[in-house]
Amino acid sequence: GENVGLHLPTLSVQEGDNSIINCAYSNSASDYFIWYKQESGKGPQFIIDIRSNMDKRQGQRVTVLLNKTVKHLSLQIAATQPGDSAVYFCAEINSGGYQKVTFGIGTKLQVIP
Amino acid sequence: IAGITQAPTSQILAAGRRMTLRCTQDMRHNAMYWYRQDLGLGLRLIHYSNTAGTTGKGEVPDGYSVSRANTDDFPLTLASAVPSQTSVYFCASSASRITSGANVLTFGAGSRLTVL
Repeated sequence: GENVGLHLPTLSVQEGDNSIINCAYSNSASDYFIWYKQESGKGPQFIIDIRSNMDKRQGQRVTVLLNKTVKHLSLQIAATQPGDSAVYFCAEINSGGYQKVTFGIGTKLQVIP
Repeated sequence: IAGITQAPTSQILAAGRRMTLRCTQDMRHNAMYWYRQDLGLGLRLIHYSNTAGTTGKGEVPDGYSVSRANTDDFPLTLASAVPSQTSVYFCASSASRITSGANVLTFGAGSRLTVL
């Protein structure tokens, strides 16, 4: 679930631990998904993407998992660092047709030193 | 540094006033977008432009207008600001259609607008 009114869901993680941030998407026709990181006072930055013909994709310290059956996306961050503290949100895209991009509300990741 | 420049970074505005948020990109991207970001809601598309000379309405276009006279600039205008337009506004661009890889959205740093 995403929307909790005026407050973002928050995940607090000890430095060095792994983080898992979840996202439920809504459109079964979405075929492309992106995770963004947004630090305070800045614009969103691309982290990693995945197409619907894949169920896992790995980057540097990050892994995205896609479960199309339950329309669920997750972002795993290995060995979480203080610089990972930010709001993370997913975006779903139907890359054909209108190309509408739908963003989740985000999850705030707090890294405890 | 290549990217998107937005101005102003922050503005307090009286209701009823006209305001234009500026956005310039130097990546020669064809497509540009304006989003607003409000706490508890995802980024919502206001207007977009797939190429210079064309614009389209997003999901929350009312009270806003845009123009795309050239590839680099995509200003957003509030003709008569209202308090509900208090938000953080992000300009974004993509090389062309959003499919994968290089065509992901690149965002500016945002413009925080407060309408009193």
